[in-house]
Amino acid sequence: EVQLVESGGGLVQPGRSLRLSCAASGFTFDDYAMHWVRQAPGKGLEWVSGISWESGSIGYADSVKGRFTTSRDNAKNSLYLQMDSLRAEDTALYYCAKNREQWLHAFDIWGRGTMVTVSS
Amino acid sequence: EIVMTQSPATLSVSPGERATLSCRASQSVGSDLAWYQQKPGQAPRLLIYGASTRATGIPARFSGSGSGTEFTLTISSLQSEDFAVYYCQQYNKWGTFGQGTMLEIK
Repeated sequence: EVQLVESGGGLVQPGRSLRLSCAASGFTFDDYAMHWVRQAPGKGLEWVSGISWESGSIGYADSVKGRFTTSRDNAKNSLYLQMDSLRAEDTALYYCAKNREQWLHAFDIWGRGTMVTVSS
Repeated sequence: EIVMTQSPATLSVSPGERATLSCRASQSVGSDLAWYQQKPGQAPRLLIYGASTRATGIPARFSGSGSGTEFTLTISSLQSEDFAVYYCQQYNKWGTFGQGTMLEIK
């Protein structure tokens, strides 16, 4: 079964850091670009970051550029999001999503998400 | 960053009727456009990619059209399970989403 499972969310104070992980299974992980998408409570979807299959290209939304870092470990079938200098507006459910094809395509598989709450 | 704008924000339609949702891109994205459905408490589900190709398992009542900057999702005969929030997404340059259209029962 193709599956993505996020972990690492929680309650964190403003200005602190948090690292999210996404464990992939059921497909050849290093064949696909991967993404992080977030959804603030009661709000819409916001693309956060994406990374190509070999980590050669990494993109970020303007709202997180310079604060968040995406990486992947293909040997461990895992995707990561290092979030630094967290702000209240980063509070959201963070989804991991798989590209439908190797590069620049729709997202065909999504995890269930991990909740990040930034509050003092 | 490409901005995606969806309209209307909320659409009220009766079961069995047709629903038409619109999406506009701030610059051309060719056919690199996807539509997703999201129900409360669930992750988004891919419906359409390439502006008009249905994803695996998606019923034929869902259809997409458009190219460049103007796109449409049509649901030909609404079923009870279709009432949800719909998002468009461009993936020509990474993957920005529209703000969503809530499809509600009239």
